Amino acid sequence: QSALTQPPSASGSPGQSVTISCTGSSSDIGSYKHVSWYQQPPGKAPKIIIYEVNQRPSGVPDRFSGSKSGNTASLTVSGLLAEDEADYFCSSYAGANIVVFGGGTKLTVL
Amino acid sequence: QVILKESGPGLVKTSETLSLTCTVSGHSFGDVYFWGWIRQSPGKGLVWIGSIDDRANTFCSPSLVGRVTLYIDMSMRQFYLNLTSVTAADTALYFCATVGPWGSVDSWGQGSLVIVSS
Repeated sequence: QSALTQPPSASGSPGQSVTISCTGSSSDIGSYKHVSWYQQPPGKAPKIIIYEVNQRPSGVPDRFSGSKSGNTASLTVSGLLAEDEADYFCSSYAGANIVVFGGGTKLTVL
Repeated sequence: QVILKESGPGLVKTSETLSLTCTVSGHSFGDVYFWGWIRQSPGKGLVWIGSIDDRANTFCSPSLVGRVTLYIDMSMRQFYLNLTSVTAADTALYFCATVGPWGSVDSWGQGSLVIVSS
């Protein structure tokens, strides 16, 4: 399984919205509704912020939303805050209890 | 709330075996679908290593099959990773985690840095 493809960087000003893409294949994102997104602040462990394409765990602000179309999933962060500056990773179920991750996107709040 | 903590040597010699332990607290051990391992090379992305369930069924990344062994000891509330024949490319921050039925990594340990060097 190849890694999912994410843009290396994204940026936006406070209050704006930013969308991060995650492109896979028909073997992972295209075949399953099991896409997750993680936020990793500098020097910390990742934290799940979206699962099953568009579900938010308890405590995650509704400024974070997810979607999927074909082989590509997307994470949108609305109303950007300075605290949203972090690395964001996507993952997808790839069958046979295997998971594949994206390479990560560094989100900068200008 | 589940708490996961990785432990193990921070330095492993080239060609030897990397062994890590993940100790679980604060949660019923049997309520988790899978216990997983993920690594992150310095400044790089996350890489799936594999997972194990409470019946000791294992599911490993195709890229690491043959080098990875996963174990679980529910009585000790621990699960384990062995990675054989390590090279510098295995230098990474290793995370243990809980994994949902469809691959969501729901809880993460703080990570354990392992450096491979001759």
